[in-house]
Amino acid sequence: SQTIHQWPATLVQPVGSPLSLECTVEGTSNPNLYWYRQAAGRGLQLLFYSVGIGQISSEVPQNLSASRPQDRQFILSSKKLLLSDSGFYLCAWRGLAGETGELFFGEGSRLTVL
Amino acid sequence: GENVEQHPSTLSVQEGDSAVIKCTYSDSASNYFPWYKQELGKRPQLIIDIRSNVGEKKDQRIAVTLNKTAKHFSLHITETQPEDSAVYFCAAPHMDTGRRALTFGSGTRLQVQP
Repeated sequence: SQTIHQWPATLVQPVGSPLSLECTVEGTSNPNLYWYRQAAGRGLQLLFYSVGIGQISSEVPQNLSASRPQDRQFILSSKKLLLSDSGFYLCAWRGLAGETGELFFGEGSRLTVL
Repeated sequence: GENVEQHPSTLSVQEGDSAVIKCTYSDSASNYFPWYKQELGKRPQLIIDIRSNVGEKKDQRIAVTLNKTAKHFSLHITETQPEDSAVYFCAAPHMDTGRRALTFGSGTRLQVQP
């Protein structure tokens, strides 16, 4: 069966520090991969998605970036965090079911920028 | 891009009563409409979805209805229980991503009073 792992689960970072969140998927090949962010008490905002290795599409201009160095690995990064980057970051994957497949979320990474 | 509006933002019901959450979407070509449940501090999980070739789908106490003409779909929970308390999100294919991603409503916080 397919599983998705995301880490770290929680982190507290000072403003201006770098960030790296990692996500890996097991049990599937060629997944579509996504990063969403959820601000406290808010909805889910799509940040990046990827349909293959090295293919990254950004939905929101920001100081974050994403990379997909391997088929089942998706990384979210920042060189300098802002206070507004605080939130709950969710990695997700979707199989090759086109636009009607279920989106599976990782357990999330809660980031607090101080 | 696809605009998904969800209401109400909060909903409080007595145990055993029914709850209805409604969403509207803007892309008439959208053909997949999932509902996700997110318990406090946890990841969203799919509870039911509907494709555009049907008008209603049921799964025990949960049902989703779709009106393609009016471009709205609704989640119905009958005989609510305290464990139904959570935040519920509707979603639709994200047009700007070639429908590879989902765009989410702003969420409804459901509180079931025992």
